[in-house]
Amino acid sequence: GDSVTQMEGPVTLSEEAFLTINCTYTATGYPSLFWYVQYPGEGLQLLLKATKADDKGSNKGFEATYRKETTSFHLEKGSVQVSDSAVYFCALTQGGSEKLVFGKGTKLTVNP
Amino acid sequence: KAGVTQTPRYLIKTRGQQVTLSCSPISGHRSVSWYQQTPGQGLQFLFEYFSETQRNKGNFPGRFSGRQFSNSRSEMNVSTLELGDSALYLCASSLASFSGNTIYFGEGSWLTVV
Repeated sequence: GDSVTQMEGPVTLSEEAFLTINCTYTATGYPSLFWYVQYPGEGLQLLLKATKADDKGSNKGFEATYRKETTSFHLEKGSVQVSDSAVYFCALTQGGSEKLVFGKGTKLTVNP
Repeated sequence: KAGVTQTPRYLIKTRGQQVTLSCSPISGHRSVSWYQQTPGQGLQFLFEYFSETQRNKGNFPGRFSGRQFSNSRSEMNVSTLELGDSALYLCASSLASFSGNTIYFGEGSWLTVV
């Protein structure tokens, strides 16, 4: 079945450091790809998405590019802030369904 | 515009009891799905409903059930609760049911089974 693999954390960075969280997927068709963020005690918020190959999703300084050749959707941010501390989930949907298949999540802590 | 609303936010139940969780989607959204989040298993898909019809079901025992009403509100029920059912249950909604659609999540219902 479809699956998502993302780098396991936790990841600890200093403020203004560069962030990369790796995400790769396995899917039989042409999935749509998502990054969600979860702040402590809260639900999931959509950070960005891409629905076809070579699409770049971006939001709040975060970016990810849908790479079909490497089946990847890595999350990047050039300069992280303390407020970016959260758990980040990579996910996909496929076909006529909205069933999200999630990775296990990566906890990011940004220190001042 | 109100977001996805889940009630109750927190609840404690005893093993063997049953629980019903409620979800009100964003106004105009017709698709609702449910997820279970635990530290060990992560985020796992439970069900997906569109226009009162279950379109997809995850790999959970029959003790987990759900339904959607004509106003798109949804409920999920867990019967004969087990300790392992302790989790954050998340509801999500979207305008329609197709891949790539933007899916919005509620803040979840925290269930503790003792």
